[in-house]
Formats: sequence, C-alpha cells, structure tokens
Amino acid sequence: LAKTTQPISMDSYEGQEVNITCSHNNIATNDYITWYQQFPSQGPRFIIQGYKTKVTNEVASLFIPADRKSSTLSLPRVSLSDTAVYYCLVGDEEGNTPLVFGKGTRLSVIA
Amino acid sequence: EAQVTQNPRYLITVTGKKLTVTCSQNMNHEYMSWYRQDPGLGLRQIYYSMNVEVTDKGDVPEGYKVSRKEKRNFPLILESPSPNQTSLYFCASSSALRYTEAFFGQGTRLTVV
Repeated sequence: LAKTTQPISMDSYEGQEVNITCSHNNIATNDYITWYQQFPSQGPRFIIQGYKTKVTNEVASLFIPADRKSSTLSLPRVSLSDTAVYYCLVGDEEGNTPLVFGKGTRLSVIA
Repeated sequence: EAQVTQNPRYLITVTGKKLTVTCSQNMNHEYMSWYRQDPGLGLRQIYYSMNVEVTDKGDVPEGYKVSRKEKRNFPLILESPSPNQTSLYFCASSSALRYTEAFFGQGTRLTVV
C-alpha cells in the first residue's frame, strides 16, 4: 500500500489559488490518486481522481508529473467555504487495496 | 437518492453495555467500511468488507465486531464499550473497492462514560 505524505496544515486568503501537494514515492503502476474533502463533523467527500498528467473538474484540478511520485491538488480562487481537511489517497483502481486515509491537510481560508 | 445511512447519529452509553451502530447503503455497493475519527489522528479504518460474508480488519479493529449478512447493511458492534472508544464514527461504501466516489454516512458521535 503506497504511503502518502501531505502538509499538516495550510493557510490561504480568499480569492487565492491553493495548491496542496501529496508525496507518494512508492506508487505502483496500477495505482490511481484520489482526493477527498472533509468538513467538520461530516464524512469525506470525493473531489477528484487521476492517473497521470492533468485532470480538471468543476471543483479542482489535479496535476500529476510523469514519474507519478507526487501529485498536486489545485483549488482555484478559494472561499471561506473551502476551509476543510483534504486527503490524498493512492490505490489500485481494481480494488485490491482498502480505502485508507491519512491525517490529511487542514486548509484554513482567511477573509 | 444515493446515500449511506448511519444510526444513531448521537449515542451516549455506559462502559460495558453492548451497542450496535447500523449502516445501510442503497447503491448496491460491494465494498463497505467503518472508520473512527479522533482529533489529531485523522480517519482510521476499523473494518472493511469486500462483499457479503467477507470482512477484514483495518488498522484499529480491537474492541469492534462487524458482520455482512446482506449487501446493503454493515453494522458495527461494540460488545463491551470502553471510554477509549469515544469517537466519531463513519461508515462508507463504494463499488468493488474502487477508489472512485466512496460515499460516506453522516457520522455517529459515540460517547462512552
């Protein structure tokens, strides 16, 4: 199971772009990278998933370099409501590894 | 509406009194799991199940039991709760352990006194 490392916390002002990087040096060939968002006292919510290069949806972008040993979640123009914990997960898309969360990155958006 | 439903949402109980937290999903998902969340420790997996009658221990299974007799239900059982099991619990489900779109319940805040 690939181990992930993220910063414990980050602060940002409203309207700025926020980039959260996750390190996963021993990612396997079949592994995908998935990010979740969690608000206080709520269950995590799926944000985005990718395998390589760049993935974008209405919420965020995910950048994955060619070696796939890290990934960056990019949140454009954050607002106060983006204050949450963000988790990076790495796992086999076929389902051979359980869904394991780390401690995540606590993002605080300041007005 | 696709959802994972946990009950109860809040529970205060006494040490040693057996309790069950129920979890039900309506998406026909194969994979279900339980987590506990404590301040500073993130989400830790207790048990998971890949399908009916198949369960496996997660990172912190001690003091917990689970069963998967039906695909939609995955109850968490505390046979003899202790104060160190006071926590926020989440149930999750997804399709065949895929990392896409795991759905989480609303959470159960358990206090053991």
